[in-house]
Amino acid sequence: IAGITQAPTSQILAAGRRMTLRCTQDMRHNAMYWYRQDLGLGLRLIHYSNTAGTTGKGEVPDGYSVSRANTDDFPLTLASAVPSQTSVYFCASSEGQNTGELFFGEGSRLTVL
Amino acid sequence: GQNIDQPTEMTATEGAIVQINCTYQTSGFNGLFWYQQHAGEAPTFLSYNVLDGLEEKGRFSSFLSRSKGYSYLLLKELQMKDSASYLCAVVDSNYQLIWGAGTKLIIKP
Repeated sequence: IAGITQAPTSQILAAGRRMTLRCTQDMRHNAMYWYRQDLGLGLRLIHYSNTAGTTGKGEVPDGYSVSRANTDDFPLTLASAVPSQTSVYFCASSEGQNTGELFFGEGSRLTVL
Repeated sequence: GQNIDQPTEMTATEGAIVQINCTYQTSGFNGLFWYQQHAGEAPTFLSYNVLDGLEEKGRFSSFLSRSKGYSYLLLKELQMKDSASYLCAVVDSNYQLIWGAGTKLIIKP
């Protein structure tokens, strides 16, 4: 069982470019999340989805969008990247909304120049 | 506002015991998680407390006092591989997960 797979693992991107980070899980979890992690700030929630077809905004949603067309996939899109979006991005999933253990992907390190 | 406080960094000696504290002020409480995160890797689940008291799991134990808004993670018989960041997170009344900034634990031989 792979768990959660993120792609790409690392990317350098020019400011203004569009970028989609992919996330796929094979655990049939209902809830999925996108976090960014910056030094000294801990994990901050960008967007979440409690079930396929629904999404919600987290703590820092500006500049990001998500979709949840099916249970397994939860892509995160940066429409026009800016340097402040340089971060490590983690996708995670859980059976229910924050009611159990979160399973994390390996992370995507994004650098916006 | 909601807040989770943890020490930024701690140092301990291999074979010793260390206690990592977490205090929280949140709108409601529906559980507290501890995660371990090695440098450059994803967080992994360690423990979950929803009732007061101590939960023991091998060398790791987690304690919760809801009345004090306090938890700690106790690591015994420290090993070099325990060098990592330890993240405290609280589920609030809306089932939102509030994360602390994490405690970096350095183990010295």
